Amino acid sequence: GQQVMQIPQYQHVQEGEDFTTYCNSSTTLSNIQWYKQRPGGHPVFLIQLVKSGEVKKQKRLTFQFGEAKKNSSLHITATQTTDVGTYFCAGPNAGKSTFGDGTTLTVKP
Amino acid sequence: DTEVTQTPKHLVMGMTNKKSLKCEQHMGHRAMYWYKQKAKKPPELMFVYSYEKLSINESVPSRFSPECPNSSLLNLHLHALQPEDSALYLCASSQLWGINTGELFFGEGSRLTVL
Repeated sequence: GQQVMQIPQYQHVQEGEDFTTYCNSSTTLSNIQWYKQRPGGHPVFLIQLVKSGEVKKQKRLTFQFGEAKKNSSLHITATQTTDVGTYFCAGPNAGKSTFGDGTTLTVKP
Repeated sequence: DTEVTQTPKHLVMGMTNKKSLKCEQHMGHRAMYWYKQKAKKPPELMFVYSYEKLSINESVPSRFSPECPNSSLLNLHLHALQPEDSALYLCASSQLWGINTGELFFGEGSRLTVL
């Protein structure tokens, strides 16, 4: 079945440093979604990428979808303490959204 | 604030109890989902309902029984659970389902502890 892998598993940064998480799927995706889950919270949708090579920005967050539609990345510029949480990518496949293992970001003030 | 409402937020039950988790959405979404999430793990899909019909059952044990009474409601009936079933149970909905499944809206979850 489809596998979605994410690296790194954990990332500890000093406030103001940049952060990147990478997502790789074993199969070609129709689209890829990114979610953020704060500690003790529930996953919240951030963005969906559909087109090959697509790049989208949300303030300090930049999302990319690979040309082959099998990988994606999320980059945060100048992290803030409000960025802490676990970031998941999710790849829909035959009606099932398979989540990557997530990258947990901690930010030291 | 989430537009998917789940009750109860916390539930403690014994292995012989019968309980139910409830989920409600009023966004007109036609697909609803149950996910299970263990600590430090990603959400794992359990069931998908599309247009009130069970479309996906990810080989979930029969001690979990889903029900979709109407397009706004989704229940998860629990019976004879095991301690390893303790987890956060997340309900989600989406406007679209299938090859172009879109954004999932998650509820805050029901945290279940089985003693």
